[in-house]
Amino acid sequence: DGGITQSPKYLFRKEGQNVTLSCEQNLNHDAMYWYRQDPGQGLRLIYYSQIVNDFQKGDIAEGYSVSREKKESFPLTVTSAQKNPTAFYLCASSPRTGGLTEAFFGQGTRLTVV
Amino acid sequence: KNQVEQSPQSLIILEGKNCTLQCNYTVSPFSNLRWYKQDTGRGPVSLTIMTFSENTKSNRRYTATLDADTKQSSLHITASQLSDSASYICVVSFPHRANDYKLSFGAGTTVTVRA
Repeated sequence: DGGITQSPKYLFRKEGQNVTLSCEQNLNHDAMYWYRQDPGQGLRLIYYSQIVNDFQKGDIAEGYSVSREKKESFPLTVTSAQKNPTAFYLCASSPRTGGLTEAFFGQGTRLTVV
Repeated sequence: KNQVEQSPQSLIILEGKNCTLQCNYTVSPFSNLRWYKQDTGRGPVSLTIMTFSENTKSNRRYTATLDADTKQSSLHITASQLSDSASYICVVSFPHRANDYKLSFGAGTTVTVRA
């Protein structure tokens, strides 16, 4: 099946820990994105990547890091520097950035700090 | 300040009834406007995409309208079903840099359909 897969679905982090969220797509899309969703707010862009080995900061990149070593993979690391990491994280991909290009979302990872 | 505002924040309707969700945006210029459906705990799924030259677009029981002059869009759900219970998100795509675009998301309207 073609699609975009996020794992795990639920993730718990202790204070001071780094955690990595996985995002894999087999759609052969060039562009991939990470968004954060908080209650009562619209999705906010954390990082995005237009091609392999390149990525750009979004609107709320502080406390997060990414890599794009393979076209199909775009993992997100939530570092201990992110002071309020509890949120629902969504990964998306598209054939290329913007315009009329359709974006496809994964099923999300809910991260909770314990 | 969010550039995409949706109303109402939530609504409850009876199965079989119609409802209309509103989206006002201040993003300018913009490339296109999208409506997504997001089930609880899942990722958003695209319903419609409209460019500034399109006034209406339908997808099964969902009909989106766009008035680019007043910067308003609406999503009409016809003959609602229990499976329509979800959050509906209005998204505006706008030019960011040369050959690059960004998406601005509304906070969503939560629709609950009751039997």
